[in-house]
Amino acid sequence: NAGVTQTPKFRILKIGQSMTLQCTQDMNHNYMYWYRQDPGMGLKLIYYSVGAGITDKGEVPNGYNVSRSTTEDFPLRLELAAPSQTSVYFCASRRTRTAFGNEQFFGPGTRLTVL
Amino acid sequence: AQSVTQLDSHVSVSEGTPVLLRCNYSSSYSPSLFWYVQHPNKGLQLLLKYTSAATLVKGINGFEAEFKKSETSFHLTKPSAHMGDAAEYFCVPLSGYSTLTFGKGTMLLVSP
Repeated sequence: NAGVTQTPKFRILKIGQSMTLQCTQDMNHNYMYWYRQDPGMGLKLIYYSVGAGITDKGEVPNGYNVSRSTTEDFPLRLELAAPSQTSVYFCASRRTRTAFGNEQFFGPGTRLTVL
Repeated sequence: AQSVTQLDSHVSVSEGTPVLLRCNYSSSYSPSLFWYVQHPNKGLQLLLKYTSAATLVKGINGFEAEFKKSETSFHLTKPSAHMGDAAEYFCVPLSGYSTLTFGKGTMLLVSP
C-alpha cells in the first residue's frame, strides 16, 4: 500500500491563480482530512469528509473548496490564491470503523508559496 | 471540547539522556489522545495512542506515555535520546468527527 499520497510536492503560485492539490489514499478509508501548517505552528483543519459525497468545513475553510466523488480521492481547490495561503498542506485519512483504531494517517505534504 | 497543553515549546537533551515531553489535557471524560512526531520538512507519523485500553502505552522507536487521570496528564518519555529523535512532537486529542486539534507542539533538540 502506498498509503496517503499528495501531489504536487511543491508549487509556487501568483496571486489570483487557482490550483488543485491532489490527495489519494489506497487504504479504503472513508474519513479524509485537509490541514494546513503555517511556520512554527500546529496543523489547522480546513475541510474533512466522512465518505464519498459528504464534506464539511473545519476551522479555516475560507478560500478553499473540496469535493469527494470517490472514496480514494479528496482534492483541495484554491480558487483565488492569496499570500495568506502560503503554507504546507497535509492530507490525512483514517479507518472507518473505530474498532480498528482511530488514528489518522498523513501524507507527505504539499509546500505552497503564493507570491 | 477537548484540549491539551504542551507545557514546553522546546526541550533540549543530550544524546543518551532521558526524554520527557509534557502534555496535560482538559476533558470531563476520558479522552482519546495521540502523540505524533514530525521530522523537519516531513509529514506526521503516529508515535502512540491512548484509547482507554491501558494506561501505559508503548509506541514506536522506544517511546512510551502514561495516562494519569488524577493528574490529567499524558507525558511522553524515552529512556535514552538518539540524534534521530530531534523533531517536533504533538500531543493531540480526538474531537468531533475524529478530527484532531493540534497545538503548537514541542520541539525536541538533541545534542551530541
